[in-house]
Amino acid sequence: EVVLTQSPATLSLSPGEGATLSCRASQTVYSYLAWYQQKPGQAPRLLIYDASNRATGIPTRFSGSGSGTDFTLTISSLEPEDFAVYYCQQRYAWPPLTFGGGTKVEIK
Amino acid sequence: QVQLQESGPGLVKPSETLSLTCTVSGGSISSSPYYWGWIRQPPGKGLEWIGSISYSERTYYNPSLESRLTISADTSKNQFSLRLSSVTAADTAVYYCARHSDTGGYQNGFHIWGQGTMATVSS
Repeated sequence: EVVLTQSPATLSLSPGEGATLSCRASQTVYSYLAWYQQKPGQAPRLLIYDASNRATGIPTRFSGSGSGTDFTLTISSLEPEDFAVYYCQQRYAWPPLTFGGGTKVEIK
Repeated sequence: QVQLQESGPGLVKPSETLSLTCTVSGGSISSSPYYWGWIRQPPGKGLEWIGSISYSERTYYNPSLESRLTISADTSKNQFSLRLSSVTAADTAVYYCARHSDTGGYQNGFHIWGQGTMATVSS
């Protein structure tokens, strides 16, 4: 099973600042990694698929990079609606599909 | 557009079977190349993939749940279902159904989600 480790667990930032979230895989997943945003009481929303492709309707301030075992989600300038929990997920070696433990981006 | 809606009892007794159904509208569950999956989230915790069924009705299970799990499809109703047996309090979670793909040229990830349904295991 591929284990995904996200860091940091919590990121405290102000609106307008940039955010850098990390996801590390226990073995290579090539570029088969996705990122999701989840707000309280809502289902997750797909942001990025295959490491660097924005899903439909996702603002350009969200970008993904990386391959192999190290991946990054970057939010260039935080909007108030971006404060949420973010998860990574791999689809290279499945079953099982696996998620990281999440990074909470909170208002400083 | 494609929409998913979970349904099922909100309360299940320990050792019994949790049964949930996901009804799909706006598209067929037999459409290639999609998979139809179940994901759960215990209160205050992260996401766990439970299992998926493909457009051709092939099933894929999380090994950690496989011995208790059955996922099936009813194409006549455009629904797919989850049955999880011998439940305990550890199975208490919000259960989501979602569509995903695993093919180049598609938005590969869980790109359409239901709203989720809370299932509580308690006597």
